[in-house]
Amino acid sequence: EPEVTQTPSHQVTQMGQEVILRCVPISNHLYFYWYRQILGQKVEFLVSFYNNEISEKSEIFDDQFSVERPDGSNFTLKIRSTKLEDSAMYFCASGGVTYEKLFFGSGTQLSVL
Amino acid sequence: ELKVEQNPLFLSMQEGKNYTIYCNYSTTSDRLYWYRQDPGKSLESLFVLLSNGAVKQEGRLMASLDTKARLSTLHITAAVHDLSATYFCAVPNTGNQFYFGTGTSLTVIP
Repeated sequence: EPEVTQTPSHQVTQMGQEVILRCVPISNHLYFYWYRQILGQKVEFLVSFYNNEISEKSEIFDDQFSVERPDGSNFTLKIRSTKLEDSAMYFCASGGVTYEKLFFGSGTQLSVL
Repeated sequence: ELKVEQNPLFLSMQEGKNYTIYCNYSTTSDRLYWYRQDPGKSLESLFVLLSNGAVKQEGRLMASLDTKARLSTLHITAAVHDLSATYFCAVPNTGNQFYFGTGTSLTVIP
């Protein structure tokens, strides 16, 4: 079965540093998402991306966050200046059509020290 | 903002027993999704419920959707240890942004 792949699986960074989390969505999908999950808590929506632009974003997705689809396959999440509270598991997801389930990647565990 | 609540948050049950997890949501939606998450792992899709009255079954799990009551249930029949995981329901808004429930952490005791 096709899958969403994320790299790296773990990222440790110092507070104030920039990080880029990478995702390769399923190839024929059109809708892309980033979610995050703080340890032991629920999964929270960050941003959705369609037709090369952000379609929706949450309050969490402030000016420190940005997303990009630099080529036909990658989808990245950049955090410009990381804070301690950005420590979480970040999941990328993709979907093909509106009513279809979302397929989630295996996640990137981000630890900000 | 669409709110999705699950109960119970924690569930410890013995093997062979039956139980139901409930998922309530705050605004109209005709779709609901159930996911399973093992510790430290990603989200695995279990069920896609696309209409009022939809019922799906897979092994010992059965999910249903009542859009009028804004309620979905995930019923576990004759639980086995392998079902131990956290279960999330998710409801999409009109923009297909998924709102996840608080999760139900299920532990099946031998």
